[in-house]
Amino acid sequence: KAGVTQTPRYLIKTRGQQVTLSCSPISGHRSVSWYQQTPGQGLQFLFEYFSETQRNKGNFPGRFSGRQFSNSRSEMNVSTLELGDSALYLCASSLTSGGPLEQFFGPGTRLTVL
Amino acid sequence: GENVEQHPSTLSVQEGDSAVIKCTYSDSASNYFPWYKQELGKRPQLIIDIRSNVGEKKDQRIAVTLNKTAKHFSLHITETQPEDSAVYFCAASKVTGGGNKLTFGTGTQLKVEL
Repeated sequence: KAGVTQTPRYLIKTRGQQVTLSCSPISGHRSVSWYQQTPGQGLQFLFEYFSETQRNKGNFPGRFSGRQFSNSRSEMNVSTLELGDSALYLCASSLTSGGPLEQFFGPGTRLTVL
Repeated sequence: GENVEQHPSTLSVQEGDSAVIKCTYSDSASNYFPWYKQELGKRPQLIIDIRSNVGEKKDQRIAVTLNKTAKHFSLHITETQPEDSAVYFCAASKVTGGGNKLTFGTGTQLKVEL
C-alpha cells in the first residue's frame, strides 16, 4: 500500500505571495491533518479534514486554509506569505476516529519564504 | 487547549544503556498518547502509542507508561543502539467522534554513543 505523498517537496516563495500544498492520503484513509514544523515551535496542528469537512482547527491565522476533495486528497493554502511561514509542512492521514488512531505522516513540503 | 511538555530536550546515552523521556499533559480528557521518532530529514514515524485505559505497553525494547492521575507519560528505550539516535516526540489527543487532533511536545534529541 502506497504511503502518504505530498507535493511539491520543496518550494521557494517571496513575501506576499500565496502557495498551495497538496497531500494524498493512504488509500482508504478519510482523515487528513496538517502540521507545521519549525525548529522553534516544533510540530503544531493546523487543521484536520474528514469527509471533505474541516473537523478541527489549530491556532493559526485565517491566511492558512485548507480543503479536502471527495477522493480524500487535501490541499492547504497560505495567502500573503510572511517570512515566519518558512517551515516544513507535514500532512498525516488516518482511518477514522472509530478505528486505529495512528496518523501516518507524509514526507513534508519544505517551504522557504524570502 | 491541551499543552504538552517534554523533557529532556537532549539526551545522550552510551550504547546498551536505557533512555527515558518524560511528558506531561494538561487536559485530563486526553485519552490517546502516541510517540513518534523522526530521523534527520525524514518524516515522523509512530513507534508506540497508548490509550488512557491502559497503564503500560511494551513492544520489544520500547515501553510507554501512563499515569492518568499525575497526567504524565514516559517512553522507555532499553538496550539502546546507534540507530535509536533521532528526535522523539510525544503527543496527546482527546479522541472523540469529532476527530483526533495531536498536540506535540517539543521533542527530545536522543544520541546513542558507541
